[in-house]
Amino acid sequence: NAGVTQTPKFQVLKTGQSMTLQCAQDMNHNSMYWYRQDPGMGLRLIYYSASEGTTDKGEVPNGYNVSRLNKREFSLRLESAAPSQTSVYFCASSTRRPRANTGELFFGEGSRLTVL
Amino acid sequence: RKEVEQDPGPFNVPEGATVAFNCTYSNSASQSFFWYRQDCRKEPKLLMSVYSSGNEDGRFTAQLNRASQYISLLIRDSKLSDSATYLCVGALLSGGYNKLIFGAGTRLAVHP
Repeated sequence: NAGVTQTPKFQVLKTGQSMTLQCAQDMNHNSMYWYRQDPGMGLRLIYYSASEGTTDKGEVPNGYNVSRLNKREFSLRLESAAPSQTSVYFCASSTRRPRANTGELFFGEGSRLTVL
Repeated sequence: RKEVEQDPGPFNVPEGATVAFNCTYSNSASQSFFWYRQDCRKEPKLLMSVYSSGNEDGRFTAQLNRASQYISLLIRDSKLSDSATYLCVGALLSGGYNKLIFGAGTRLAVHP
């Protein structure tokens, strides 16, 4: 059972480079999310998607773009990476719509990004 | 002030001990609460929901005190495998979605 799969697991970028983090879920979930996790801080929501074709900003969207092309996949793009975007990024999905979220999110294994 | 605050720990306890973590939240409009577990360099996983009446799942007991705005997690008979970081999470309906607010986590280390 794959669950939520993220790629790549590790990436080193130089300031100004761009990259896309890929996420796919095979649980037929409606909602998908992108979080970042930094030391000493809780997970912070970057963007979320309630359904295919819709996306909304979370708490810390600046410097990121997302795309939900189909129900399975939700990608996160850094157009011009900055050192402040060094973090661990988690994709998550849930079966409920974001407004009715029960609180159970299924997370991918994370993508560790370093921006030099 | 962080919306959800936790003692970062670490809590170092021997096997078999009982350990309790507290978590405080600042927004009284928070509607529901959860505990997640995160192993080192792994993804968070839901441990249990927290209800006002309290709930128990095996060795784990979660309590919510709305008057004092804190949530607790009690682990009895600690096992080595309980070593992890425990994330307190509050849910708040905000801006059209049920916003989950994660605490930074409390680290537990259980030793032989």
